[in-house]
Amino acid sequence: EPEVTQTPSHQVTQMGQEVILRCVPISNHLYFYWYRQILGQKVEFLVSFYNNEISEKSEIFDDQFSVERPDGSNFTLKIRSTKLEDSAMYFCASSDNRQALYEQYFGPGTRLTVT
Amino acid sequence: DQQVKQNSPSLSVQEGRISILNCDYTNSMFDYFLWYKKYPAEGPTFLISISSIKDKNEDGRFTVFLNKSAKHLSLHIVPSQPGDSAVYFCAAYSNFGNEKLTFGTGTRLTIIP
Repeated sequence: EPEVTQTPSHQVTQMGQEVILRCVPISNHLYFYWYRQILGQKVEFLVSFYNNEISEKSEIFDDQFSVERPDGSNFTLKIRSTKLEDSAMYFCASSDNRQALYEQYFGPGTRLTVT
Repeated sequence: DQQVKQNSPSLSVQEGRISILNCDYTNSMFDYFLWYKKYPAEGPTFLISISSIKDKNEDGRFTVFLNKSAKHLSLHIVPSQPGDSAVYFCAAYSNFGNEKLTFGTGTRLTIIP
């Protein structure tokens, strides 16, 4: 069964460093998302992406964050200068159906630890 | 932002019995509600959804009930199996204004053999 994959599974970085989290969405999907979950808190929406541009973003997704689809398969989240509070699980998700964007399929997540 | 709430952080149920997980919401503009299941070190897995125009949707052992007047939904799992032990998230989606899922805080379900 097709699935969303994410790399790395765990990333440790120092405060102020740049990180890039990578995702390979399900191959025929056209809508892509990033969510995060800080330990003990809710899964929170960060950004949605369609047709090579951001379609929605949350207040969390400030200028330190950016997303890119550099080729036909990868979808990346970049954090330019990491802060301690960026430590969280980051989930990529994708959806294939404009009529059912609520059916979003999630990857296993990348655990980001900022020290 | 407490638009979707799961008031029970944990639930234990005997194998073979019914598990009932509850979720409340405050935003009457939500159009779809979903349940996701999450194992440790994995991402949320889509289980079942329901449109706001329906009051019940069933898929095998899983049934979701929606009570719009009470802004409440529940997930019934029957019969419960040990593999159902996981964290269950309720999520909601609105067709208007954004494309995001709004999640509850989750309920950890433990099935006791």
